[in-house]
Amino acid sequence: NAGVTQTPKFRVLKTGQSMTLLCAQDMNHEYMYWYRQDPGMGLRLIHYSVGEGTTAKGEVPDGYNVSRLKKQNFLLGLESAAPSQTSVYFCASRRRDRATDTQYFGPGTRLTVL
Amino acid sequence: AQSVTQLGSHVSVSEGALVLLRCNYSSSVPPYLFWYVQYPNQGLQLLLKYTSAATLVKGINGFEAEFKKSETSFHLTKPSAHMSDAAEYFCAVSEDAGGTSYGKLTFGQGTILTVHP
Repeated sequence: NAGVTQTPKFRVLKTGQSMTLLCAQDMNHEYMYWYRQDPGMGLRLIHYSVGEGTTAKGEVPDGYNVSRLKKQNFLLGLESAAPSQTSVYFCASRRRDRATDTQYFGPGTRLTVL
Repeated sequence: AQSVTQLGSHVSVSEGALVLLRCNYSSSVPPYLFWYVQYPNQGLQLLLKYTSAATLVKGINGFEAEFKKSETSFHLTKPSAHMSDAAEYFCAVSEDAGGTSYGKLTFGQGTILTVHP
């Protein structure tokens, strides 16, 4: 049981390049989330998904797109990277059943945009 | 709308001293409150959570937190700090407004805890 995994762990992009971050969970969780972490700002929700084939915007969605074609995977895409997207990205997942359930986090992807 | 404020971006204590990390929240409905810990270059790990049962919540590694509705606070404490407690700590709030919040968390800014020998 690997929990939540993220690929890649590190990435350096040039301005304007595109990339996709992959999040995978093996806990059969319905809900999945993408956050970005910036110094002094905590974690902010980018997009989330409440089930296969569904996605919704979070607090800071601009410049990002997501897809959830399979229940276990949640992809975060940057179509044209900007230096402001330099950050650490975390994926999380949670069961749907109870509001009290916990979000489980992946190890993060550190992205630098030059 | 929900929000969280963590008072003090950095807290420094001596080994063996009391740890107190402050968290105040704002929520339009009864909240669910969480404390997460992040060790360097790692993801977030749940320390403890308040889910409207007991107001004093005990978590892992000797940490506990008390929900005080009148003060809208959920401060994290540990009686005796250990070197291994050095990390960044995040308070978070979630609402369950009829099940439509989808478990979304709003995080505080984080508090970096330093423990001196």
